[in-house]
Amino acid sequence: EIVLTQSPGTLSLSPGERATLSCRASQSVSSSYLAWYQQRPGQAPRLLIYGTSSRATGIPDRFSGSGSGTDFTLTITRLEPEDFAVYYCQQYGSSLGTFGPGTKVDIK
Amino acid sequence: QVQLVQSGAEVKQPGASVKVSCQASGYTFVNYYIHWVRQAPGHGLEWVGVINPSGGGTSYAQKLQGRVTMTRDTSTGTVYMELSSLRSDDTAIYYCARDQGWRAFDIWGQGTMVTVSS
Repeated sequence: EIVLTQSPGTLSLSPGERATLSCRASQSVSSSYLAWYQQRPGQAPRLLIYGTSSRATGIPDRFSGSGSGTDFTLTITRLEPEDFAVYYCQQYGSSLGTFGPGTKVDIK
Repeated sequence: QVQLVQSGAEVKQPGASVKVSCQASGYTFVNYYIHWVRQAPGHGLEWVGVINPSGGGTSYAQKLQGRVTMTRDTSTGTVYMELSSLRSDDTAIYYCARDQGWRAFDIWGQGTMVTVSS
């Protein structure tokens, strides 16, 4: 089973700042099957990025994804008030899926 | 519109079983895999397993193998997730989610709270 590690655990930033979130895998992940989600309190997760770098429908272009192999990054270029939430990376391989532990982006 | 609607909250005793349903609408049911994801209170997301609504094939998380079973009813567009031998650490919100084709989940159900308590 592939284990995903996310860093940092918490990111304290101000609106308008840039956020860089990291996701590292215990072994190589197919770039086609690496996704990112946003979860706000009391809500179901929302798909942001799939296939490492493709934005899901309706996701603003301030969200972008990159990476390959074992290292992946989610970047939010200018934080809006609604972006303060928890972010999870997720991979699927060998018929098994796993999520990272999450990065909380909170207001500084 | 495209949506997944789940059954209501459940309270079960340790050792019992629970069966949660997820009814799809607004799209062709057999064309998209359905995954189940759970979230214990105050914790992160955990992948539970996946079912192919077309053929019924399944794959489950290793830690739940032997206790989880996923089935589907193509006549009603519903998938089911049954978890047996419940323990207190199975207490969680259980979500069903549609696989949009890249093993990423674009449509989520509203979640079903399963509480295991004596």
